[in-house]
Amino acid sequence: DAGVIQSPRHEVTEMGQEVTLRCKPISGHDYLFWYRQTMMRGLELLIYFNNNVPIDDSGMPEDRFSAKMPNASFSTLKIQPSEPRDSAVYFCASSFRQGSTEAFFGQGTRLTVV
Amino acid sequence: AQSVTQLGSHVSVSEGALVLLRCNYSSSVPPYLFWYVQYPNQGLQLLLKYTSAATLVKGINGFEAEFKKSETSFHLTKPSAHMSDAAEYFCAVSDSPGGGNKLTFGTGTQLKVEL
Repeated sequence: DAGVIQSPRHEVTEMGQEVTLRCKPISGHDYLFWYRQTMMRGLELLIYFNNNVPIDDSGMPEDRFSAKMPNASFSTLKIQPSEPRDSAVYFCASSFRQGSTEAFFGQGTRLTVV
Repeated sequence: AQSVTQLGSHVSVSEGALVLLRCNYSSSVPPYLFWYVQYPNQGLQLLLKYTSAATLVKGINGFEAEFKKSETSFHLTKPSAHMSDAAEYFCAVSDSPGGGNKLTFGTGTQLKVEL
């Protein structure tokens, strides 16, 4: 398996624009997580899915953020409208069943909102 | 709520010296604990994990960590640092079972290895 695949790797956009980040989890994994990493706040869990169903979105900072998982092999994180403070690295991770199994991380999308 | 505290945001060691990165956790249930490493411009890679089996856990690249319940600690060590160990290290705790395998991360420790 190629691991967790995120696209794009880098995104530069203007304030007010819509941004969509994409993630393909590892095949067979039934948990998918979106994290955000910033210098100020470190790594924060935004939302996670189990079997394509959102379980906990309490980490989503505002209504401008939304995430979907239409099927087991694809998820999106959308920011609309984007703001400069959304600039961060966004990581997607997936894991197989709950418990002690590790979460595998993608390489991240570095978002810059100017 | 679970949390982890990593003492020292930056640690510097000489090549060949002992590496010790500290992590203390807080958990209301028996925790699953993890150490991840992040190289520049990369995602996070698992170094090792504690899953209530052996308290001394061996991971990749010569790293190991010991779970000490009495001290609520899970410190990461490596006997002899190598230049390639320079990276950022994150301790994390999982609140499984019941909440999936979502991770709460510490703030990270940047390890610098000097000649």
